[in-house]
Amino acid sequence: EVQLVESGGGLVKPGGSLRLSCAASGFTFSSYSMNWVRQAPGKGLEWVSSISSSSSYIYYADSVKGRFTISRDNAKNSLYLQMNSLRAEDTAVYYCAREEGPGNPDYWGQGTLVTVSS
Amino acid sequence: SYELTQPSSVSVSPGQTARITCSGDVLAKKYARWFQQKPGQAPVLVIYKDSERPSGIPERFSGSSSGTTVTLTISGAQVEDEADYYCYSAADNNWVFGGGTKLTVL
Repeated sequence: EVQLVESGGGLVKPGGSLRLSCAASGFTFSSYSMNWVRQAPGKGLEWVSSISSSSSYIYYADSVKGRFTISRDNAKNSLYLQMNSLRAEDTAVYYCAREEGPGNPDYWGQGTLVTVSS
Repeated sequence: SYELTQPSSVSVSPGQTARITCSGDVLAKKYARWFQQKPGQAPVLVIYKDSERPSGIPERFSGSSSGTTVTLTISGAQVEDEADYYCYSAADNNWVFGGGTKLTVL
C-alpha cells in the first residue's frame, strides 16, 4: 500500500524558515518523481514544486521560486521542502504527492499545516 | 500560464446525476484528471486520462472530454459523494488545478 506521511509543519514568524519532510513507503520511491502541493485555508490546490526521481529536474511555482528548495534522499525514501523567508501567504496545508508518470499525480499524503504569523 | 475554470458549486438530490465541468485551452492537447477531496482529507484520484477510472473508484464516476472542456459525471450521486472536486492538467512542467467545485448532495 502506498503511504506518504508529511511532517515538520508548525507555527513560524514571517521571515522564518521551516523544513518539511515526507516519508514514503509501499512503492519504489527512487523510481518516481515527487511533488509538493499546498492548500491555503478554505482555498484550492496550488502546485509548489516538483523533483524528478534522480533529482536531475527540479521545478518551482513562481510564488516560491528563490525561497523554497525541494530535495530528496532516495536511500531514506524521503522528500523534503526547505522553506525560507516565509510570508503570511505561505500559510497552508502542504501535501506531498507522487507522480505515476510525467505530470500525473496519483497518491497524496495527509498533509502538514504551516502557519506563518507573528 | 494555463488556467482551468470550474463552477464554484453544484447541487443535486441523492440519486440524481451530477455533472461538473472544467474548461481550459490546455485541455485541447493534454489529458485531465479529477480529484475528490472531503473535509480534512487528502485529495483522491477519481478519473485520469479524461475518462479512465482507477481501481476502487465506484462505476458511477465517469469522465468525458470535448475540445477544451472536460466533464466529471456522477450518475446516481450519493450523500457520501459530497465533497470538493478539482480538475487538473499539466503542461510545460507546470501543474495546474482548477479552482474546485463544491458538490452538495441533499
